[in-house]
Amino acid sequence: ETGVTQSPTHLIKTRGQQVTLRCSSQSGHNTVSWYQQALGQGPQFIFQYYREEENGRGNFPPRFSGLQFPNYSSELNVNALELDDSALYLCASSLGRPPVYEQYFGPGTRLTVT
Amino acid sequence: QQQVKQSPQSLIVQKGGIPIINCAYENTAFDYFPWYQQFPGKGPALLIAIRPDVSEKKEGRFTISFNKSAKQFSLHIMDSQPGDSATYFCAASEPSGSRLTFGEGTQLTVNP
Repeated sequence: ETGVTQSPTHLIKTRGQQVTLRCSSQSGHNTVSWYQQALGQGPQFIFQYYREEENGRGNFPPRFSGLQFPNYSSELNVNALELDDSALYLCASSLGRPPVYEQYFGPGTRLTVT
Repeated sequence: QQQVKQSPQSLIVQKGGIPIINCAYENTAFDYFPWYQQFPGKGPALLIAIRPDVSEKKEGRFTISFNKSAKQFSLHIMDSQPGDSATYFCAASEPSGSRLTFGEGTQLTVNP
């Protein structure tokens, strides 16, 4: 059984650019959540997907968007990058349909915006 | 609005000591309280979790104590080891189960 994987590991972008981060869920897990973790802080919930539809969203602007694919993999897209978007982006997968409680995190993608 | 407050921010103990990390929450709708462990450069790993109908849960060297009336819960690490040195996060979730609300984290150092 493989765990949650994310790509790329690190990414450097310039303010105003767009970025796509990818996540492969743990085997059999069909719910995926995305979190943003700023340096020295706890993760902040961005949104959750189940059956390719958004199921809950945190306090993030519309330029943060996501997709979930039939194989349960997922993407996080961020448009018009700002310096404050620099953070570790974490994907977490869960087994079953929402509400889901046990969330298993991937290693994250470190995004730096210059 | 920070709904889960965690303390202390950092903690140093000697090997074999029992570090205690505390969290307090405001939202009485929370019904699931996990603890995560995070090493540098890694994602958070689920350690142990508790529901509010239970006052204590133990898994290996990790114990959660839960006080529903005080809206507080804590993590105790028995016989701590240098390998336990990491950042620990408490979290809470509502019945919708959509999101985890995390505390600010506690950086634990266990000296040999």
